[in-house]
Amino acid sequence: EAEVAQSPRYKITEKSQAVAFWCDPISGHATLYWYRQILGQGPELLVQFQDESVVDDSQLPKDRFSAERLKGVDSTLKIQPAELGDSAMYLCASSEGNSFYEQYFGPGTRLTVT
Amino acid sequence: AQSVTQLDSQVPVFEEAPVELRCNYSSSVSVYLFWYVQYPNQGLQLLLKYLSGSTLVKGINGFEAEFNKSQTSFHLRKPSVHISDTAEYFCAVSDPGGYQKVTFGIGTKLQVIP
Repeated sequence: EAEVAQSPRYKITEKSQAVAFWCDPISGHATLYWYRQILGQGPELLVQFQDESVVDDSQLPKDRFSAERLKGVDSTLKIQPAELGDSAMYLCASSEGNSFYEQYFGPGTRLTVT
Repeated sequence: AQSVTQLDSQVPVFEEAPVELRCNYSSSVSVYLFWYVQYPNQGLQLLLKYLSGSTLVKGINGFEAEFNKSQTSFHLRKPSVHISDTAEYFCAVSDPGGYQKVTFGIGTKLQVIP
């Protein structure tokens, strides 16, 4: 069964360092999402791609976060510089189209900023 | 703007007993509604969804939910829980228009007691 891949699974970094997360969606899925899930809360959408284009990044802290999906396939989310408040689970999901279709989630990357 | 309220942060229940996890939503337009399950250190998995039609929706693992428009609710139920149902459950709402951004609730931790 096809799955969304994410790496790394766990990342510990110091405050002010740069960190990057990678996501490989299910083959053929046009829509890709990055969510941030703070402990004890539900996932919050950071950015949504339709193919290689960003269609929603209203909740992305653009002063320190960036996301790209250059060829409309895999995607990278970067934080520079990392802050203590960025400690969270970062989830990637993909779907065939928009949310009418089921979103398939990856296992997530647990980020700890010290 | 759409929002979701999950009324219980934790629900303990004995094995083989029935359970109901409550969810209320707020939206000015018609909605799509979802329940997702998250096991420890994993991504989210779709349990069931309401898009239109019958208000009683059946999902995987014996779960079902009922859409009640007048009460703006979408409660999740299971007649007999198993130890393996111990997980966190998220209710989510999506606006059918545009890019259909999904908004998640804060989650309900279901603890099944042997």
